[in-house]
Amino acid sequence: EAEVAQSPRYKITEKSQAVAFWCDPISGHATLYWYRQILGQGPELLVQFQDESVVDDSQLPKDRFSAERLKGVDSTLKIQPAELGDSAMYLCASSQRDEQYFGPGTRLTVT
Amino acid sequence: KQEVTQIPAALSVPEGENLVLNCSFTDSAIYNLQWFRQDPGKGLTSLLLIQSSQREQTSGRLNASLDKSSGRSTLYIAASQPGDSATYLCAVSPSQKLVFGQGTRLTINP
Repeated sequence: EAEVAQSPRYKITEKSQAVAFWCDPISGHATLYWYRQILGQGPELLVQFQDESVVDDSQLPKDRFSAERLKGVDSTLKIQPAELGDSAMYLCASSQRDEQYFGPGTRLTVT
Repeated sequence: KQEVTQIPAALSVPEGENLVLNCSFTDSAIYNLQWFRQDPGKGLTSLLLIQSSQREQTSGRLNASLDKSSGRSTLYIAASQPGDSATYLCAVSPSQKLVFGQGTRLTINP
């Protein structure tokens, strides 16, 4: 069964450093999402792509976060510089129509 | 702004019991509602998707209902098992993005 792939699974970084996460959606899924989940809360959307175009990045802290999906397939989410409050699970999801399928996530710890 | 609430935040029941998890949302203008399961430190697994035109969906021991007019959904789990222990999240889709509740942490005691 096809799955959403994410790497790395875990990342520890010091504050002010740069960090990047990678996501490979299910083949054929045109829509890709990045969510952030703080411990004990539900995920919140950071950015949504339709093919290579950004559809919604209203909740993305653009002063430090960036996201790209250059060829409309895999995607990278970057944080620079990382802050202590960025410690969270970063989840990638993809969809072909309505149902969203999530990857295993990247657990980020900023020290 | 759409808000999703799940009550209770945590639930502990003995194995074999049937149980109901609740989800409420403030804006009935949704396209669909999705229930997910999340194991500790893991990603989300989709359990059921209910389109706005549907009233319920079933998969195995799981049954989810949707009442848009009252802004409510329930997830019914029959004959609970220790393997059902996880956090259950509901999410509504006002557009393509999902708006999540905070989840119900379920523990099934052997």
